[in-house]
Amino acid sequence: ETGVTQSPTHLIKTRGQQVTLRCSSQSGHNTVSWYQQALGQGPQFIFQYYREEENGRGNFPPRFSGLQFPNYSSELNVNALELDDSALYLCASSLVLGGETQYFGPGTRLLVL
Amino acid sequence: AQSVTQLGSHVSVSEGALVLLRCNYSSSVPPYLFWYVQYPNQGLQLLLKYTSAATLVKGINGFEAEFKKSETSFHLTKPSAHMSDAAEYFCAVLGGGSNYKLTFGKGTLLTVNP
Repeated sequence: ETGVTQSPTHLIKTRGQQVTLRCSSQSGHNTVSWYQQALGQGPQFIFQYYREEENGRGNFPPRFSGLQFPNYSSELNVNALELDDSALYLCASSLVLGGETQYFGPGTRLLVL
Repeated sequence: AQSVTQLGSHVSVSEGALVLLRCNYSSSVPPYLFWYVQYPNQGLQLLLKYTSAATLVKGINGFEAEFKKSETSFHLTKPSAHMSDAAEYFCAVLGGGSNYKLTFGKGTLLTVNP
């Protein structure tokens, strides 16, 4: 049991719309990372949050943004959706910054039409 | 910068046969290495991790992996495959520096034939 939950499980949007994905980390985990997994690919790092501040970003444009809240929940927001944003979005939490184990949630599958 | 190469996007074995999934890494710092498993329509589950202790690491479900620095490899093995092992397997390296991102390989799909 990882204790990381994500919502919704599936989502369909149209190009140009905005979407918010949610993640609830394990209690006490102060670091959350988001990953994008396109079909047939490994997960790609989007960004990481530590104590409600962004702590590193991968090669994703600014229309991908996030928030982390004091209650161990976090959000991934994507503006101006593009067809290539269709993917499984995974969040992962770790107990501390630099903690070697990241616990993954089940993911949100986003389809952009 | 870190990178991971998984050799073989698809591996097929018979039930009871040896499973060998290959992973080579590149890292500018002593690596932390991981194997994750992903079942259809699910997230990632940690199988095992190497964090600079013993070079032979045992994980869940009978899997193990050996860290070989000279070969920059971290191959995953299981002596006897079970039907329930059919899944996608990802090797990953943990980045250093100021953020602790995981860099994943492209994955290896394991099928187990009866």
